[in-house]
Amino acid sequence: SQQGEEDPQALSIQEGENATMNCSYKTSINNLQWYRQNSGRGLVHLILIRSNEREKHSGRLRVTLDTSKKSSSLLITASRAADTASYFCATDPSGGAQKLVFGQGTRLTINP
Amino acid sequence: DAGITQSPRHKVTETGTPVTLRCHQTENHRYMYWYRQDPGHGLRLIHYSYGVKDTDKGEVSDGYSVSRSKTEDFLLTLESATSSQTSVYFCAISEGTQAFFGQGTRLTVV
Repeated sequence: SQQGEEDPQALSIQEGENATMNCSYKTSINNLQWYRQNSGRGLVHLILIRSNEREKHSGRLRVTLDTSKKSSSLLITASRAADTASYFCATDPSGGAQKLVFGQGTRLTINP
Repeated sequence: DAGITQSPRHKVTETGTPVTLRCHQTENHRYMYWYRQDPGHGLRLIHYSYGVKDTDKGEVSDGYSVSRSKTEDFLLTLESATSSQTSVYFCAISEGTQAFFGQGTRLTVV
């Protein structure tokens, strides 16, 4: 079963605009992570937010977490063509990376 | 890629044949994982290992077996490949709370 559900499934924006992706999950978690996947490549870790955090920043990335709604959002500001990729949220109730459960992903396309 | 190598990178095989995919890591990580990625499903955990000869099932383990006789190698075997096992397979290791993935193996069962 899918722990995380991303929304939207696909997003297309102009370079320079902000992109927001959402993730909902079902069970209690210790942390939530976001990963990026470029076409034909493996996943790359972007950012982790713990259950006791509400917001976290890393460069142009901003992640929020609402444990009461079991949801998270990933904001990419000032998007670039190189941000074109699929983005996945992942959760692990145990708090480690022992059994990550991934959502279906959001396909982001940045148009020049 | 955290020293993770998957082999082969591409394979086409016939229904009913056994197939083994290999994941090799160079950094002595304890945890290793096999995921499959299919359109509309994201990544789903097949099996994982928490040490030499210590493995456990994931969400979609039916039709798959694994072995880990050395820390650095984690093998995924399809005992009798079926068309439903056509997928992209990813190996991963974990370091703390973060996972690192290999480049993937594209397997086609015809």
